[in-house]
Amino acid sequence: QVQLVESGGGVVQPGRPLRLSCAASGFTFNTYAMHWVRQAPGKGLEWVALIWYDGSSVYYADSVKGRFTISRDNSKNMLYLQMNSLRAEDTAVYYCARDEKYYGSSGYLDWGQGTLVTVSS
Amino acid sequence: EIVMTQSPATLSVSPGERATLSCRASQSVSSNLAWYQQKPGQAPRLLIYDASTRATDIPARFSGSGSGTEFTLTISSLQSEDFAVYYCQQSNNWPPLTFGGGTKVEIK
Repeated sequence: QVQLVESGGGVVQPGRPLRLSCAASGFTFNTYAMHWVRQAPGKGLEWVALIWYDGSSVYYADSVKGRFTISRDNSKNMLYLQMNSLRAEDTAVYYCARDEKYYGSSGYLDWGQGTLVTVSS
Repeated sequence: EIVMTQSPATLSVSPGERATLSCRASQSVSSNLAWYQQKPGQAPRLLIYDASTRATDIPARFSGSGSGTEFTLTISSLQSEDFAVYYCQQSNNWPPLTFGGGTKVEIK
């Protein structure tokens, strides 16, 4: 059974950094692409970033490009999101999600429970 | 970027009735479309992928149809646990993956 457990959320001041982590279990982590998706309070879903199963390719939403970095450690079954220069509009629940496709990327997602990031002074 | 538009924003349905949710893409996404269910305080759950294929353990009362730019999610007989927000999402032309704004299915 796929398990994804996010951590690292909290309250952070504008302009400060924060790193989110996602611990994966129940599947062979190094064979699946991974995503981060966020949801502002009371709003819809916004895709944030993707990393290929081997870390060879990464992609970002325009809204976070240049500020956020997705990475993974396949030896530890861990996914990360380094968030720099945070803004109030980055306030959201951040979900770690596994792509459904083995050794590829379909864009269909299995989701963790999320971690809340609040950017406020 | 492909824009996904869902309608209606809110759907009021009585238990046991049929619910029909719509999703429109700003350009063709072929059949590369998913539906997710999200209950309050929970993460989204994949219901349908490739426009019409039910995900693992999803009951048969959920069905998806459509291709190109027009898609439908049908819940044949609403159960109490089906009251939730439903999102469509395209995976044809990405990144970025894009989601619709959601349809809230509420008890009438």
